[in-house]
Amino acid sequence: AQSVTQPDIHITVSEGASLELRCNYSYGATPYLFWYVQSPGQGLQLLLKYFSGDTLVQGIKGFEAEFKRSQSSFNLRKPSVHWSDAAEYFCAVGATTDSWGKLQFGAGTQVVVTP
Amino acid sequence: DVKVTQSSRYLVKRTGEKVFLECVQDMDHENMFWYRQDPGLGLRLIYFSYDVKMKEKGDIPEGYSVSREKKERFSLILESASTNQTSMYLCASSSRDLNGYSNQPQHFGDGTRLSIL
Repeated sequence: AQSVTQPDIHITVSEGASLELRCNYSYGATPYLFWYVQSPGQGLQLLLKYFSGDTLVQGIKGFEAEFKRSQSSFNLRKPSVHWSDAAEYFCAVGATTDSWGKLQFGAGTQVVVTP
Repeated sequence: DVKVTQSSRYLVKRTGEKVFLECVQDMDHENMFWYRQDPGLGLRLIYFSYDVKMKEKGDIPEGYSVSREKKERFSLILESASTNQTSMYLCASSSRDLNGYSNQPQHFGDGTRLSIL
């Protein structure tokens, strides 16, 4: 079974600084991977996805993520953070052998943006 | 855009009550999911459905049941609500690709914050 670890529970970053959120997965084959963002009181919004091909994927809101098979990682990055990026971020992994599209979610990383 | 609508944003019920949470999606998605979200635990899958009248248990199905009588609607039922079911509940849906593989992103509703007193 696949699993996801987000090592950082909480990150504080200054507005305008760069942001990197870590995600490590465990899965025997090539997974498909997602990053979601959740603003307070809201559902989850898809930021980006990786299925195959180019290991650097671009998403919405200026985010990108890089799939590194050798490190079993899918880290999310943004070069310059805006105050509106304060939210909780979830990494999710799906199994290519799963018939029903189930995802395993990490515990989330809370991002606080300071002025 | 995909729209997943959960019937209530906030709900307060009493222990022992039977509670219904409703979810409707408007994109003809085959797959639908119910999660609960608790601080520090991420999202945990309760039940999912891959077709009308078809359902499968997720990771934490105890105390819950589901119903999917129509493709667009997926209901979560708390048979006899207990205080440990106080949580945020999220519904999601996803489609299959042209080859029939369920590898598409899940689309989420805004959640129902349920309090059991």
